[in-house]
Amino acid sequence: QKEVEQDPGPLSVPEGAIVSLNCTYSNSAFQYFMWYRQYSRKGPELLMYTYSSGNKEDGRFTAQVDKSSKYISLFIRDSQPSDSATYLCAMSGGGFKTIFGAGTRLFVKA
Amino acid sequence: NAGVTQTPKFQVLKTGQSMTLQCAQDMNHEYMSWYRQDPGMGLRLIHYSVGAGITDQGEVPNGYNVSRSTTEDFPLRLLSAAPSQTSVYFCASTADRLNSPLHFGNGTRLTVT
Repeated sequence: QKEVEQDPGPLSVPEGAIVSLNCTYSNSAFQYFMWYRQYSRKGPELLMYTYSSGNKEDGRFTAQVDKSSKYISLFIRDSQPSDSATYLCAMSGGGFKTIFGAGTRLFVKA
Repeated sequence: NAGVTQTPKFQVLKTGQSMTLQCAQDMNHEYMSWYRQDPGMGLRLIHYSVGAGITDQGEVPNGYNVSRSTTEDFPLRLLSAAPSQTSVYFCASTADRLNSPLHFGNGTRLTVT
């Protein structure tokens, strides 16, 4: 069983839709939770970073962490074609090893 | 501001050949790491370094060597390439393992035939 599970998609939505991306994990030691966005032929770039449980909002993006359920989510409001990318969840226990999910491919149609 | 620079962008090797993937960062980051990305597997840590002269193994270190002689550079060496090492390789750096994001390069796409 992988430490981090993420549905690979692809997920296709119309422009303006609310997108929900999710990951589950098994290691209760994880305290730092991240979402990276990766465009085709590029390296991942950090989108959201949260510590422990709770919500964090940044513009159209909201990250949620539920440590009791070992479940994290990323919501994208008013999705745009420019949001089309692969979204990777990632988490760590505070050490140097960050564990990544497999990534969900998102397509936003104009 | 270059950030993390990886060379080459593409490489084709034959089984048994050796090569070095280069990674350089200009942000004075202490921590650097190498990941490989395969379909359905996500990013998996190969080796990492917490400073010049200090390296350690990650999740999938077999077949790869690293060294860190300077803060800026962290090359990844494939000693005898195998088809299973066909992948996209990403180098990343960060200043602080707790509070800073990983900064990634744009990857090296390696095919081993």
